Amino acid sequence: SQKIEQNSEALNIQEGKTATLTCNYTNYSPAYLQWYRQDPGRGPVFLLLIRENEKEKRKERLKVTFDTTLKQSLFHITASQPADSATYLCAPVLRGGYNKLIFGAGTRLAVHP
Amino acid sequence: NAGVMQNPRHLVRRRGQEARLRCSPMKGHSHVYWYRQLPEEGLKFMVYLQKENIIDESGMPKERFSAEFPKEGPSILRIQQVVRGDSAAYFCASSARPAIRGPGLARQYFGPGTRLTVT
Repeated sequence: SQKIEQNSEALNIQEGKTATLTCNYTNYSPAYLQWYRQDPGRGPVFLLLIRENEKEKRKERLKVTFDTTLKQSLFHITASQPADSATYLCAPVLRGGYNKLIFGAGTRLAVHP
Repeated sequence: NAGVMQNPRHLVRRRGQEARLRCSPMKGHSHVYWYRQLPEEGLKFMVYLQKENIIDESGMPKERFSAEFPKEGPSILRIQQVVRGDSAAYFCASSARPAIRGPGLARQYFGPGTRLTVT
C-alpha cells in the first residue's frame, strides 16, 4: 500500500544548528514533492516544491533534496532559530492527482535557544 | 489582502446533529479543496470544487457528507448526523488556477481550519 513516513518523534536541536527532516515514501512515483510548515491551530503553509527531475532546491535557509531512486526527500533548515519550531509536512504530488495533495503526518521540530 | 477564511474556528456538536463548515477562498480564487486531519495523522483530501461544480469527491465518505460551492457565497462542507469519529480539524484550501495546471501554477493556500468536536 502507499505510505509516507516522516519521523514521528519530535526533533530537538540547538539554535544555530542545521535541522534535517526525512520523508520516505513507498509505492508512489510522485512528479513533485512539496514541504509545508504547520503551526499549532493553523493551516499548512507552503515552503518549497521540487520536481522529480530536480535533485536539490534552495530558498534562503531552506534546502530540499529529492532522490527518486531512494524514494526519499530531505528537508534542511540551516542556522535554525526558535521561530523555526513547528511541524513540517511532506507532501508528494502524483502526476494527474494534482488536486488531491497527500500529506505525511509531519515531524515536530523544536529549536532551543 | 485576506487569505482563506474559515468559520467557525471551533464547532461543538452532539451526536446526531448537523455540522456546517464554511470556507471563503482567497480573492480571485475559484477553486476550493477540503481536507480532514485526524489527530496524529496527515491531512486527507476530501473534495475539490469549482464554482457550482464538484470536480473530484473521491475522498468524501459516501454517506452523511456533502459539499457545495455556489455561484455566490462561501463553500460549505456539511456533515449530517455527526458521530464521534467525525471529530477532526477540517481545512479548506483555494487556488487561482485549476488543479490540472500542477502544484506550481495551481498552488493551494490553506485556511486556519475548523476544529469539530462531537460529544
